[in-house]
Amino acid sequence: DAEITQSPRHKITETGRQVTLACHQTWNHNNMFWYRQDLGHGLRLIHYSYGVQDTNKGEVSDGYSVSRSNTEDLPLTLESAASSQTSVYFCASSDPYGTQYFGPGTRLLVL
Amino acid sequence: TQLLEQSPQFLSIQEGENLTVYCNSSSVFSSLQWYRQEPGEGPVLLVTVVTGGEVKKLKRLTFQFGDARKDSSLHITAAQPGDTGLYLCAGAGGSARQLTFGSGTQLTVLP
Repeated sequence: DAEITQSPRHKITETGRQVTLACHQTWNHNNMFWYRQDLGHGLRLIHYSYGVQDTNKGEVSDGYSVSRSNTEDLPLTLESAASSQTSVYFCASSDPYGTQYFGPGTRLLVL
Repeated sequence: TQLLEQSPQFLSIQEGENLTVYCNSSSVFSSLQWYRQEPGEGPVLLVTVVTGGEVKKLKRLTFQFGDARKDSSLHITAAQPGDTGLYLCAGAGGSARQLTFGSGTQLTVLP
């Protein structure tokens, strides 16, 4: 069965360190998204991609970057982690009808 | 920027009661989706409504899209403890590839 996976599921890091969160989907979807989820804010879009070599900034992109070298993967990098980036991060891909399929999330704590 | 306001933010009811969750915006959406999220997991799509005035039923859940396609509601009849979770509405813009999420309604159904 097709799926979308994220790793690691939990991560603790220190302020200033670079962190990369992995996202891998086997749906063969062109569209992929990264969100962060914080209490009271729902899901906020960080970056998204509509295909290989395509990346776009979302609502809360400062301090984050993504790259899309193949269809399956969209890694999210925190260039220099800050305490404000403590959150739960979700990756998603969408089918041609706009339905988004989410990974299980990565819980990140920045100390 | 399109915004979706969801209410109430928290709802705690007894098993067997009925409830309605609202999702409102000043923007027009091409479609509106409802997702449900359980602890430690990513959101999962429940339904997509596309046409203004559309009503869709999923067992005890009834979803309605406003005539002007700016608002939506989710009504649950005879709630059960298994309905407990975070309910998120999400609106799609013209391209339908990006979604704007509401802040969510945390529903707890007590046995």
